[in-house]
Amino acid sequence: TQLLEQSPQFLSIQEGENLTVYCNSSSVFSSLQWYRQEPGEGPVLLVTVVTGGEVKKLKRLTFQFGDARKDSSLHITAAQPGDTGLYLCAGASGSNYKLTFGKGTLLTVNP
Amino acid sequence: KAGVTQTPRYLIKTRGQQVTLSCSPISGHRSVSWYQQTPGQGLQFLFEYFSETQRNKGNFPGRFSGRQFSNSRSEMNVSTLELGDSALYLCASSWTGANEQFFGPGTRLTVL
Repeated sequence: TQLLEQSPQFLSIQEGENLTVYCNSSSVFSSLQWYRQEPGEGPVLLVTVVTGGEVKKLKRLTFQFGDARKDSSLHITAAQPGDTGLYLCAGASGSNYKLTFGKGTLLTVNP
Repeated sequence: KAGVTQTPRYLIKTRGQQVTLSCSPISGHRSVSWYQQTPGQGLQFLFEYFSETQRNKGNFPGRFSGRQFSNSRSEMNVSTLELGDSALYLCASSWTGANEQFFGPGTRLTVL
């Protein structure tokens, strides 16, 4: 069974601070996706990383895929209250047509 | 382009009843996946359909079933509801499966 562990589980910070969220597994994934979910809504895709060592930037968000394609990180610079939400990582493996999700990191950015 | 729609948004049932949830994917998407989300377990994969065929199934009892129609719309059914089935049920569509998925807003099921 493939598992994705996210840390920290909860994070509460002040506006303007930087933070990093981690997503780790003992399994290799063909790709890894990051989603953000707000209360009462479904998750929204932020980014997909495919190549080991890949780094992608989305405004103040930086995503990295580990060299061995077993782990990933999300770094947010100068967090804003609008970044508040549940951040989920999800791994895809081969052709089994399913995503394995981590349990998420609940981020609260206080003004 | 319209997003993924799920109906109903909220549902209250009692133990022993059955329920059917509906999902309409983004136009052109042939893959529909279903997930159960609870605070304790997070998002857990239920099953995935592509062109009316179930290609993968998660570790849920047989009370959970689904189907997909020729227009790619999908339904999931839960029979003999238990209190532990209370959850947010999410549907996601994509072009081919476990690539980028687009989620609907979910159906919040409460079992009393």
